[in-house]
Amino acid sequence: TQTVSQSDAHVTVFEGDSVELRCNYSYGGSIYLSWYIQHHGHGLQFLLKYYSGNPVVQGVNGFEAEFSKSDSSFHLRKASVHWSDSAVYFCAVSANTGYQNFYFGKGTSLTVIP
Amino acid sequence: DPKIIQKPKYLVAVTGSEKILICEQYLGHNAMYWYRQSAKKPLEFMFSYSYQKLMDNQTASSRFQPQSSKKNHLDLQITALKPDDSATYFCASSQDGQSQNTLYFGAGTRLSVL
Repeated sequence: TQTVSQSDAHVTVFEGDSVELRCNYSYGGSIYLSWYIQHHGHGLQFLLKYYSGNPVVQGVNGFEAEFSKSDSSFHLRKASVHWSDSAVYFCAVSANTGYQNFYFGKGTSLTVIP
Repeated sequence: DPKIIQKPKYLVAVTGSEKILICEQYLGHNAMYWYRQSAKKPLEFMFSYSYQKLMDNQTASSRFQPQSSKKNHLDLQITALKPDDSATYFCASSQDGQSQNTLYFGAGTRLSVL
């Protein structure tokens, strides 16, 4: 069974700051890791994903995430946030079993102060 | 235009009643899913369908029954409603049921059971 842990429930930064949202996972096999964003009152939208290759993956709107097998982590980063980045961010893991079943973390609420 | 349509957006029901949540996707996808999100629990996987066949059911209660009349439809019937069923229910889809596919979400149906 996969588990996903997002240690920070809330993160608050100022516009223009950099931010890192943390995600740790637990699974012994091959997995896909993803980040999704949810703006208030909306469904989740895909940001980026990793399976293999370059551990740093680029997503939309300047987001990137770095996979670390040794730390079992897939942290999301942005160099300079905008107020419109305020949303809840979900990390997700899906086992590479050929059959899809995403498990989501509890989410991190990011507030960007203009 | 939204590619995954969920109806209704808001739903109020009385305890013990039955409701059907509608989901239609126009992405040409072959796999569809239901997730539930509430204040008490993080985003929770409920069902997955691939080519109109049930792939996985993580919902303990038989009061929740998915219904797939067409490949691009996956409705959710909930019987004998309880206050604990109050949540936002998200429909999602992906190209097929493979692990590497990206999930696309609808805007959700917010259900309140009184």
